[in-house]
Amino acid sequence: KNEVEQSPQNLTAQEGEFITINCSYSVGISALHWLQQHPGGGIVSLFMLSSGKKKHGRLIATINIQEKHSSLHITASHPRDSAVYICAVQETSGSRLTFGEGTQLTVNP
Amino acid sequence: GAGVSQTPSNKVTEKGKYVELRCDPISGHTALYWYRQSLGQGPEFLIYFQGTGAADDSGLPNDRFFAVRPEGSVSTLKIQRTERGDSAVYLCASSLWAQGVSSYNSPLHFGNGTRLTVT
Repeated sequence: KNEVEQSPQNLTAQEGEFITINCSYSVGISALHWLQQHPGGGIVSLFMLSSGKKKHGRLIATINIQEKHSSLHITASHPRDSAVYICAVQETSGSRLTFGEGTQLTVNP
Repeated sequence: GAGVSQTPSNKVTEKGKYVELRCDPISGHTALYWYRQSLGQGPEFLIYFQGTGAADDSGLPNDRFFAVRPEGSVSTLKIQRTERGDSAVYLCASSLWAQGVSSYNSPLHFGNGTRLTVT
């Protein structure tokens, strides 16, 4: 079992739809990161969370430490949101990041 | 520079050759990470530096892989006797600091990666 699991692996949506990507983890963490990776491109950090909720534009990230679960929401999705979204956790036992396998999001016009 | 810079962006080498991959982090960032990413998979941790020292090198797959950061800024990932299985995108990231036990961590900034192809 992976320490970080994301669902779904692939997600296709129509422009304007509300999107949720989930991340569950099994280790103690000091922070959780949501990252975005465009095809052939670098990785961009969207959020770093240790508790509660953060919002940036149309993106919202929440974390429930007790349940070891985080969600990334995209409101009013747009084709330019199409990318791989990756959840990564920073373990309390060290400073490495452990990554999920990513969720491939495609938003059709 | 404005961001994390990795060079070269692409490297093609023959099996058995030696390669060096360079990462130039954001100025002042003491924490530096190396990851590698195979097609269709999430990044895999290789090594983490805090300053000049390798704080965690447990992700290096074997002794053909080695990384240095002699002055606490630029880092070089070195791969000896390359194998076809080493082909991947090698990613570097930096942050202001990372304290594993402390609750505080700073955001990560990633480079665009070096695509290594071993033929």
